[in-house]
Amino acid sequence: EVQLVQSGAEVKKPGESLKISCKGSAYIFTNYWIGWVRQMPGKGLEWMGIIYPGDSDTRYSPSFQGQVTISADKSISTAYLQWSSLKASDTAMYYCARYQGGPVAGNDYWGQGTLVTVSS
Amino acid sequence: QSVLTQPPSVSGAPGQRVTISCTGSSSNIGAGYDVHWYQQLPGTAPKLLIYGNSNRPSGVPDRFSGSKSGTSASLAITGLQAEDEADYYCQSYDSSLSGSNVFGGGTKLTVL
Repeated sequence: EVQLVQSGAEVKKPGESLKISCKGSAYIFTNYWIGWVRQMPGKGLEWMGIIYPGDSDTRYSPSFQGQVTISADKSISTAYLQWSSLKASDTAMYYCARYQGGPVAGNDYWGQGTLVTVSS
Repeated sequence: QSVLTQPPSVSGAPGQRVTISCTGSSSNIGAGYDVHWYQQLPGTAPKLLIYGNSNRPSGVPDRFSGSKSGTSASLAITGLQAEDEADYYCQSYDSSLSGSNVFGGGTKLTVL
């Protein structure tokens, strides 16, 4: 069964760095795009960016370009989302999701989410 | 403001039919890009409900259907059930945003 398993909840202080992960299993990780989605408390879904683990082709939403870095390590079937300097406004649930096909396709499998809390 | 516009809320009684609209523009839905729909139950990750405008993944009841016309798309739910109470989101690709995907703002469905 295809699964995306995300790393656990994080509590950080403003200015700290963070890298969260999303490990895929039961499918060929390098053949499918992986996207990241933010959901702030009580709010809707926001598309952050995607990566193709096969060649690390990465695309960002203009809203998140320069704010986060998306990467992948195909040797361990894991995608990452990282921040170099967190802000309180980064407090949110973050989901990874697999694309059925290319970047225009739907997201057929989702991770369980990683809750990031940034507070002084 | 979301690039794709959805009504904030809809409601219906058990057994009724409801529709949720998703209005875009010439750079996303109107450009011919597919629309996908997700259901998010409280406290859970989103679940793919409709892909490619009108296709249901395995396991999704045929009470759920999708359609697309021009710059808009719609999700219809017939035979409403209490378990359908959730947030629903549309998604598409937008060629004006450096190849980004975009989500609608979400619609809260209340089963009366």
